[in-house]
Amino acid sequence: RKEVEQDPGPFNVPEGATVAFNCTYSNSASQSFFWYRQDCRKEPKLLMSVYSSGNEDGRFTAQLNRASQYISLLIRDSKLSDSATYLCVVIAYGQNFVFGPGTRLSVLP
Amino acid sequence: DAGVIQSPRHEVTEMGQEVTLRCKPISGHNSLFWYRQTMMRGLELLIYFNNNVPIDDSGMPEDRFSAKMPNASFSTLKIQPSEPRDSAVYFCASSRGTSGNQETQYFGPGTRLLVL
Repeated sequence: RKEVEQDPGPFNVPEGATVAFNCTYSNSASQSFFWYRQDCRKEPKLLMSVYSSGNEDGRFTAQLNRASQYISLLIRDSKLSDSATYLCVVIAYGQNFVFGPGTRLSVLP
Repeated sequence: DAGVIQSPRHEVTEMGQEVTLRCKPISGHNSLFWYRQTMMRGLELLIYFNNNVPIDDSGMPEDRFSAKMPNASFSTLKIQPSEPRDSAVYFCASSRGTSGNQETQYFGPGTRLLVL
C-alpha cells in the first residue's frame, strides 16, 4: 500500500459546484498535513495547512480525521480558476514530505 | 521578493551527456530540497540539505545522480551519464527552518529535462 493515496480524478464539475477530495495515509505517526495546488506545467504551491480541528480559508475547508487516517479538502462555489491538480502532503515527525499523486480538478463553464 | 530560481528551465540532451541543474533558494532559507516529477511516479524527493549539509539522499536513484550545495545560495543536481528514463521535471524547493521538514516548502519553476 502506498504511503499516501488520492483519487486521481479527473473531477469535472460545473462552475459554482461544491467538490471534495480525500487523501488517505498509511503512517499512523503522521503529524503534519498540507494541501498544495499545482497548475498545469507549473510548480506546486501551498494552498493551506491542515489543522487537527479543521480550518477554513475562504471557499476552501480542510479537515483531518486521524482515526480513519485521511484528510479532506472541500471547495465551495468552484471557479474556473480552481482547475488544477491538488496534492496532499503528509509528514511524520523527523520524516520528509510525502506527496500524494494528486487529484485533477476541471471546473467547467 | 525573488522566489526559488532554477536554471535552465528546459534542457534537451542526448543519452550519455552530463546534465547540470542549478538552484538558488530563497534568501534566508536554511533547507533546500530536490524533487523529480513524472507522470508515472509523481513527485519524489531526491535529496535535501540543511544549512548546506546533505541530510537525506536516500531518494537519489543511483550513482549517476549527485547533488552539491557549496553555499547557502546555490545548489546543483548533476546527472552523469544521463539516460532517457531520467526525463522528468526537476524541482528545487526551499524552506525557512531546519526543524526537520515540517515547514512550508516553496518550489522553483522547475527544469524540464528531456534525454533523447
